[in-house]
Amino acid sequence: KQEVTQIPAALSVPEGENLVLNCSFTDSAIYNLQWFRQDPGKGLTSLLLIQSSQREQTSGRLNASLDKSSGRSTLYIAASQPGDSATYLCAVKGGAQKLVFGQGTRLTINP
Amino acid sequence: EAGVVQSPRYKIIEKKQPVAFWCNPISGHNTLYWYLQNLGQGPELLIRYENEEAVDDSQLPKDRFSAERLKGVDSTLKIQPAELGDSAVYLCASSFGIAGGTLDEQFFGPGTRLTVL
Repeated sequence: KQEVTQIPAALSVPEGENLVLNCSFTDSAIYNLQWFRQDPGKGLTSLLLIQSSQREQTSGRLNASLDKSSGRSTLYIAASQPGDSATYLCAVKGGAQKLVFGQGTRLTINP
Repeated sequence: EAGVVQSPRYKIIEKKQPVAFWCNPISGHNTLYWYLQNLGQGPELLIRYENEEAVDDSQLPKDRFSAERLKGVDSTLKIQPAELGDSAVYLCASSFGIAGGTLDEQFFGPGTRLTVL
């Protein structure tokens, strides 16, 4: 059974810092990995999707990497802003065509 | 382009009452998902539809939960009767969804927050 873990559960950093969020998964047989953002009381917004054959994807200040063999992904946020404050979730899609989510990292960017 | 639409956004009911949630996916998306999200947790899949067919309902508590997607477009999730433990956010998502494909980005609606008293 696939398990996804995100560490840390919460992170608080000053504005302007670069930061890394971590995601690990137990079964490396995945189709893709997706990073989402969730604002309080809202649904999920897709940030980046990495296919199993890819090593990384970039969108603006965000860069996500994938190392299937070690069961790890990172989300790098450059030059953080207060508007980046949210919960970040990673999810992996395996053989059952099911997205399995981590519990999320609650990020706070302090002005 | 409109995103995934869900209604209602909030629902408060007493235990043992029935409740229904509605979802309209992004136009052209064949695959529709219902998720349950408890506070502080990631979403968990309840049911996945490919067009009209429920292809994965293994996590749906069938004694009290039911879902339908009659015309392969919008969908309804029902709970009858509701229990205190059903209080959660119910999320709907859709994808273009080629089975087995790796390009299968899921787009989520805003969710329905259910409170059972």
